[in-house]
Amino acid sequence: QVQLQESGPGLVKPSQTLSLTCTVSGGSIGRRDSYYWSWLRQPAGKGLEWIGRIYASGSTNYNPSLKSRVTMSVDTSKNQFSLKLSSLTAADTAVYYCARAEYGSGSFGYWGQGTLVTVSS
Amino acid sequence: DIQMTQSPSSLSASIGDRVTITCRASQSISNYLNWYQQKPGKAPKLLIYAASSLQSGVPSRFSGSGSGTDFTLTISSLQPEDFATYYCQQSYSTPLTFGQGTTVEVK
Repeated sequence: QVQLQESGPGLVKPSQTLSLTCTVSGGSIGRRDSYYWSWLRQPAGKGLEWIGRIYASGSTNYNPSLKSRVTMSVDTSKNQFSLKLSSLTAADTAVYYCARAEYGSGSFGYWGQGTLVTVSS
Repeated sequence: DIQMTQSPSSLSASIGDRVTITCRASQSISNYLNWYQQKPGKAPKLLIYAASSLQSGVPSRFSGSGSGTDFTLTISSLQPEDFATYYCQQSYSTPLTFGQGTTVEVK
């Protein structure tokens, strides 16, 4: 059974950079052409926003609304992928999820439990 | 970006009711439409992928239909565990986008 687990700080100061890591167990992140790995977020009481995706090859696609501030990377040796989001403001306060999508349907079949990130001084 | 619009935003229903939620895309997305259920404090759970395919382990009372721009999620007989928020998501093009959600509440 594939499991994903987010890790990172719960509190970050404005203007700083958020760094989150998603550790995948029960399956290899390096299995190419079958899945891609995404970060999503959800502000309290609001809907879901897709941040971007990364393939095992390292190829990425980012949401244009966040593209200038987002960097994703993958470490297949550790079975992890990561998110960096810079120039944080209070509007970035949200629960951040990592998830795995099926390449064909683009559906997110596996999700992490989510981690709350608060941007505050 | 492709805009996804769900209706209604919320609904009240009773156990055993048939519930239908609609999702409309701002342009044709073929069948690249997925449905999720989310309960408070939990990650979303995939129910339906590719518009009408039931995810493994999901009860058969959930079904999806549609193609192009108009899609529906139907719960044939609402159960106590189905009170939750439901989201549609298009995977036709990036950025991937979600509907605003439909909350199913107890009547």
